[in-house]
Amino acid sequence: DAGVIQSPRHEVTEMGQEVTLRCKLISGHNSLFWYRQTMMRGLELLIYFNNNVPIDDSGMPEDRFSAKMPNASFSTLKIQPSEPRDSAVYFCASSLGQVNPSTDTQYFGPGTRLTVL
Amino acid sequence: AQSVTQLDSHVSVSEGTPVLLRCNYSSSYSPSLFWYVQHPNKGLQLLLKYTSAATLVKGINGFEAEFKKSETSFHLTKPSAHMSDAAEYFCVVSERTNDKIIFGKGTRLHILP
Repeated sequence: DAGVIQSPRHEVTEMGQEVTLRCKLISGHNSLFWYRQTMMRGLELLIYFNNNVPIDDSGMPEDRFSAKMPNASFSTLKIQPSEPRDSAVYFCASSLGQVNPSTDTQYFGPGTRLTVL
Repeated sequence: AQSVTQLDSHVSVSEGTPVLLRCNYSSSYSPSLFWYVQHPNKGLQLLLKYTSAATLVKGINGFEAEFKKSETSFHLTKPSAHMSDAAEYFCVVSERTNDKIIFGKGTRLHILP
């Protein structure tokens, strides 16, 4: 298996632009997690889904951020409009999610480095 | 609600000496506890996890951790550090009774030659 796939790996955009980050889960996994990592704030869990349903979105910073699962194997994280303080590395992870997704082992993607100028 | 505290933000050890990364947790019910490692410019990788089976958990690359309920600790150890262990380590707690997953702030491990 190829593991969790994230695209793009690097994104540079200007303030006010819409940014879409993409994530493909490992085949057979049912849970999907989005994280943000910065030097100042460390690693933050933004949202996670189980069977396409959002379970905990308490980490989503504000309405400019939205996450979706258009199908069982794919997710997007959208920032509209983007701001310089959104610059970070964004990771997604997937897990089996068959019983208790919060207690499953997570498999992380390589991350997307976002720079908002 | 659960919480997790990694007591050291940086730890430096010499190659070949033991490693101890400390983690204390707070949980109302039986927690699941994890240690993840992140090498520079990489995603996180599971080292080991505890989910109410044996209290001494062995992980990859010679790491192990012991769940001590009386001390609410889940410290990560390794008998002999290797240069390749230089990375950031995250302690994580979650509970079956709620949907929260709590990451610690991380401990950066430096290995001195």
